Amino acid sequence: GESVGLHLPTLSVQEGDNSIINCAYSNSASDYFIWYKQESGKGPQFIIDIRSNMDKRQGQRVTVLLNKTVKHLSLQIAATQPGDSAVYFCAENIRGSQGNLIFGKGTKLSVKP
Amino acid sequence: NAGVTQTPKFRVLKTGQSMTLLCAQDMNHEYMYWYRQDPGMGLRLIHYSVGEGTTAKGEVPDGYNVSRLKKQNFLLGLESAAPSQTSVYFCASSYVVAGETQYFGPGTRLLVL
Repeated sequence: GESVGLHLPTLSVQEGDNSIINCAYSNSASDYFIWYKQESGKGPQFIIDIRSNMDKRQGQRVTVLLNKTVKHLSLQIAATQPGDSAVYFCAENIRGSQGNLIFGKGTKLSVKP
Repeated sequence: NAGVTQTPKFRVLKTGQSMTLLCAQDMNHEYMYWYRQDPGMGLRLIHYSVGEGTTAKGEVPDGYNVSRLKKQNFLLGLESAAPSQTSVYFCASSYVVAGETQYFGPGTRLLVL
């Protein structure tokens, strides 16, 4: 989910389909990862997190997968709904840092009814 | 709980004017953060605080000052606003430093003319 210039990558899905949003993180020392959802005009909202000792974590309709070998994180949303339309971005915490998260630039999810 | 609140929600300034943005949290969090969000740039950390009476610089601290006189409040000041500081400002807080979710406020939209 890295943006180029001023334009966010966009994922367009049909209502009811599954969505997969990807994120490449930068630091092999990162030990904690979070997915946030940001609706237009609002602050980022926590969705789900995962620690580096796990490779999968499930929430309600959402699953996060972590592949440390290729430094890749994905967010899967099951049965995508119009209310899921938002910008999604991942954040990583680097072990030993003062808790400062590094945020990706986001992916815009658009759900077609 | 109100969570993280920010005031004001929107402000227009002229170049050279000063202002203070207020962030308050009622979750007894130790850590507080100020970010700015610009199109295509994601969230960038301005300053943060690891506890009452402490502050530290983030990625883009120039032109801003902060204070954390009370645990629940984190103030962001612009001494002499510039058009480049036109942005959306988000405050966040977290309970402990390493590997913890940051909870965000609704944001303050600032326009500097």
